[in-house]
Amino acid sequence: EDQVTQSPEALRLQEGESSSLNCSYTVSGLRGLFWYRQDPGKGPEFLFTLYSAGEEKEKERLKATLTKKESFLHITAPKPEDSATYLCAVLAEYGNKLVFGAGTILRVKS
Amino acid sequence: DSGVTQTPKHLITATGQRVTLRCSPRSGDLSVYWYQQSLDQGLQFLIQYYNGEERAKGNILERFSAQQFPDLHSELNLSSLELGDSALYFCASSVTQRGGLDTQYFGPGTRLTVL
Repeated sequence: EDQVTQSPEALRLQEGESSSLNCSYTVSGLRGLFWYRQDPGKGPEFLFTLYSAGEEKEKERLKATLTKKESFLHITAPKPEDSATYLCAVLAEYGNKLVFGAGTILRVKS
Repeated sequence: DSGVTQTPKHLITATGQRVTLRCSPRSGDLSVYWYQQSLDQGLQFLIQYYNGEERAKGNILERFSAQQFPDLHSELNLSSLELGDSALYFCASSVTQRGGLDTQYFGPGTRLTVL
């Protein structure tokens, strides 16, 4: 069964304090790994898709990387507006549904 | 704003009742996906439709059903509601039928409360 585990469950940072969120996965062949951001009471907002190990993508203060077993979302010099829940999801090679992790709740204090 | 619209935003009903949630996909998107998000289960895939036909099914209960209409909007019907059905229900859409390989864009959700 495809599984996605995100850590930590919650993370508190000071503004400007860089850190990383982890997403480890177990799938029978990976077609794609997705990162979403979700604000309270709102729908997930797409951030990145990664397809193969070694791939990296960047957007503003966020950088996503992928290995054969996990993905990291690096947050550089975060601001309070980066506070949200970050969700990771995988699409298996022979599946056609996204499997989401439980998410990491990020709080950035000024 | 993702371009996906969902109505209603909030729904409060009683156990045993039936409700219908509505979703309009982004312009040009042919696939619609339904998800349930609860505190203990996280975001769970329910069902996908592509151009009016069912394409993939997740852990959707038999009490739940969905359809996609010729104008591509979709409805999720929940019947014989139980307290445990209280959750956020999201609709997402994407361009093609390739399942999750295309980027899925999520709507704002419908918060269902069953009393």
